[in-house]
Amino acid sequence: AQKITQTQPGMFVQEKEAVTLDCTYDTSDPSYGLFWYKQPSSGEMIFLIYQGSYDQQNATEGRYSLNFQKARKSANLVISASQLGDSAMYFCAMREGSGAGSYQLTFGKGTKLSVIP
Amino acid sequence: NAGVTQTPKFQVLKTGQSMTLQCAQDMNHEYMSWYRQDPGMGLRLIHYSVGAGITDQGEVPNGYNVSRSTTEDFPLRLLSAAPSQTSVYFCASSYGVEGVHEKLFFGSGTQLSVL
Repeated sequence: AQKITQTQPGMFVQEKEAVTLDCTYDTSDPSYGLFWYKQPSSGEMIFLIYQGSYDQQNATEGRYSLNFQKARKSANLVISASQLGDSAMYFCAMREGSGAGSYQLTFGKGTKLSVIP
Repeated sequence: NAGVTQTPKFQVLKTGQSMTLQCAQDMNHEYMSWYRQDPGMGLRLIHYSVGAGITDQGEVPNGYNVSRSTTEDFPLRLLSAAPSQTSVYFCASSYGVEGVHEKLFFGSGTQLSVL
């Protein structure tokens, strides 16, 4: 079974609208971390937001927020007020476990977001 | 403030050739890793290291070797290149502590083609 599932290969959103990118995860470990990265067409990987499994509140970073639903094992990324520069691939990733040896991330296959003017 | 530096940015190899992808970070990160990115596959972990002298295999280690003689450097060696190793390779590092500071810092990537 895939540990990270991103079911939307591609999405379109109108400029200035909000958009939600889906991510579900699979782990039996009580300690884990969830990440979202953005990859523009230039290829670099840009960290957006982090949510720890023990965090009580949903993470927010500027226009990005993470809708963390622990019981449903989902960690959806919400981008508010989309901009043309948000057009990119978006990857959800997870770290499982704790301690040395657990810091590697497992990535989903990504969602390509296109913002329409 | 260089961050994670990868070289080269592009490389073309012939089947059977060997080469080393270089990765260096100047943030004193304990944790370093190599990923490959293939279309429709996301990023997959090749090898990782939790500190100098310590390395371990990831999801797709076959055909690759790593070593970590210093905190700063984590080279990836292709022993005998195969067309299946055509990919974009990313080196990444982190502080190796849980929480927001565990986020990975990525290099700019190496696009490798094996003919």
